[in-house]
Amino acid sequence: DTAVSQTPKYLVTQMGNDKSIKCEQNLGHDTMYWYKQDSKKFLKIMFSYNNKELIINETVPNRFSPKSPDKAHLNLHINSLELGDSAVYFCASSQDYLGGSEAFFGQGTRLTVV
Amino acid sequence: AQKITQTQPGMFVQEKEAVTLDCTYDTSDQSYGLFWYKQPSSGEMIFLIYQGSYDEQNATEGRYSLNFQKARKSANLVISASQLGDSAMYFCAMREFSGGYNKLIFGAGTRLAVHP
Repeated sequence: DTAVSQTPKYLVTQMGNDKSIKCEQNLGHDTMYWYKQDSKKFLKIMFSYNNKELIINETVPNRFSPKSPDKAHLNLHINSLELGDSAVYFCASSQDYLGGSEAFFGQGTRLTVV
Repeated sequence: AQKITQTQPGMFVQEKEAVTLDCTYDTSDQSYGLFWYKQPSSGEMIFLIYQGSYDEQNATEGRYSLNFQKARKSANLVISASQLGDSAMYFCAMREFSGGYNKLIFGAGTRLAVHP
């Protein structure tokens, strides 16, 4: 049973398009995250939600909009895609945002903008 | 300023030998956590081990142990008896308290190659 699942795993799209990545966790965690991994493998946090409430919003273009319909789901919508958006996007979840619990990651979505 | 530094972009080790992957961190918090994750070529992120700043004992999980030296601000990962399946990227991460919330920040990673 997959703990954190993302769809799709691969996404190839043209510049200017709008796309969404979905994420679901079945761990009962309160906190979910989106991370971006660039071509040099560097991982950077984008957003964090706790119980459907946005708690971390790093310096991310407002073309990126996360949506959390419930605490088990955190989707990422990207408008007007640009070449520089090409990366692997990871969804993650953890028990809470205050403690030392580890984050569990989804398998990643490789986004390629052409 | 870099909060997590992994100075070894690539390492290799002979199968069955031990290897140490370096990680240093920078924080003024008294309470923090340090994590190691493995990313194999298939791309998923796998949690390996956690060390809390107040933990007096070094964390161990099977063949993984964390050599935590608080005064030096280092949290090196030691993999004993390396296996071919250990070939992967390894990321050190720190729980940073910022703006009232915690978030995980990652180092640049070390690519480990295990040779037969």
